[in-house]
Amino acid sequence: EVQLVASGGGLVQPGGSLRLSCVASGFNVSRNYMSWVRQAPGKGLEWVSVIYSGDSTYYADSVKGRFTISRDTPKNTLYLQMNTLRAEDTAMYYCARDHIQWDAFDIWGLGTMVTVSA
Amino acid sequence: DIQMTQSPSTLSAYVGDRVTITCRASQSISTWLAWYQQKPGKAPTLLIYKASSLQSGVPSRFSGSGSGTEFTLTISSLQPDDSATYYCQQSNIIQRTFGQGTKVEIK
Repeated sequence: EVQLVASGGGLVQPGGSLRLSCVASGFNVSRNYMSWVRQAPGKGLEWVSVIYSGDSTYYADSVKGRFTISRDTPKNTLYLQMNTLRAEDTAMYYCARDHIQWDAFDIWGLGTMVTVSA
Repeated sequence: DIQMTQSPSTLSAYVGDRVTITCRASQSISTWLAWYQQKPGKAPTLLIYKASSLQSGVPSRFSGSGSGTEFTLTISSLQPDDSATYYCQQSNIIQRTFGQGTKVEIK
């Protein structure tokens, strides 16, 4: 079965760090484009970052310089390292496969909640 | 960044009604547009990609059209299960952006 399972969210203080993980099954993260998308409570969707199959990475301006996307091929896992967290980073974080030909997010994980608060 | 603007923000319709949601891009995005459905507490699901291609498993009452800067998502006959929030998303540039969402309610 093709699925994504995200984990690693939690409560963190402003300025702190957190690493999110997203384990894929049914397909290889290394051969696909993989993204993180977040959704603040009661708000809309915001694209955060993408890693291409060639390892190029891109970020939204709101997280550039603070977040790092990466993957572990043997573990078939996508990561998001989040540093210098701010209150406005509070959101549900989803990992998603960015279909190479369709340029659309065709597979989504369940999401993991990140709360940045003192 | 490319701004995506959806209208309306909320709509209420009866079962069986034809429903149309509009999405406008701040610059031309060709047909690099997708539509998603999201129900409360759930992850979004892909409905339409490349403006008009129906994702496998999505009911045929959903359809998409448009190119350039103006796009529409149409539900030909609204069903109770269609109560959800719908988002458009452009993929013309690497930094993807979403519309603000349209909440569809059943009267």
